[in-house]
Amino acid sequence: TQLLEQSPQFLSIQEGENLTVYCNSSSVFSSLQWYRQEPGEGPVLLVTVVTGGEVKKLKRLTFQFGDARKDSSLHITAAQPGDTGLYLCAGAISGATNKLIFGTGTLLAVQP
Amino acid sequence: ETGVTQSPTHLIKTRGQQVTLRCSSQSGHNTVSWYQQALGQGPQFIFQYYREEENGRGNFPPRFSGLQFPNYSSELNVNALELDDSALYLCASSPDPQQPQHFGDGTRLSIL
Repeated sequence: TQLLEQSPQFLSIQEGENLTVYCNSSSVFSSLQWYRQEPGEGPVLLVTVVTGGEVKKLKRLTFQFGDARKDSSLHITAAQPGDTGLYLCAGAISGATNKLIFGTGTLLAVQP
Repeated sequence: ETGVTQSPTHLIKTRGQQVTLRCSSQSGHNTVSWYQQALGQGPQFIFQYYREEENGRGNFPPRFSGLQFPNYSSELNVNALELDDSALYLCASSPDPQQPQHFGDGTRLSIL
């Protein structure tokens, strides 16, 4: 069974602080995606990383895929209240389905 | 806007009943996947349809079934509802299984 563990589960920080969310597995994924989900809405795709060691930046968000394609991290610089939400990583299992295995999620609250 | 629309947004059923949830994807999205997201957890893969045929299934019993139609709409049917079926049901679509998936806002199903 493929499992993706995220840490921390909950994070409450002040506006302007930096934070890192981790996503770890013992399985190798063909790609890994990060989503943000707000209450009452579906997950919104932030980024897809495909190559081991790949780093992608999206404004204040930096995503890294581990060299072995088993883990990933999301770093947010100078967090803002608008960053509040549930952050989900999802690993794609190679094959006909390319189904997504979701992590347990990190609930981030950024206080003004 | 992801172009994925789900209906209804909320639904209340009782144990033993049957339910049909609907999803409408944007034109050209031949792949639709359904996920179950329990409160406080990441989404769990139910199954995927590609060009109107089942293309992979997660660890869900046969009372969870689906259909995909030529007009890019799809259905998730659940028979003999149980209390544990209470969750947010999400559909996600993409042009093909290898492309990133885009989610609808889900249907919140409550079983009494």
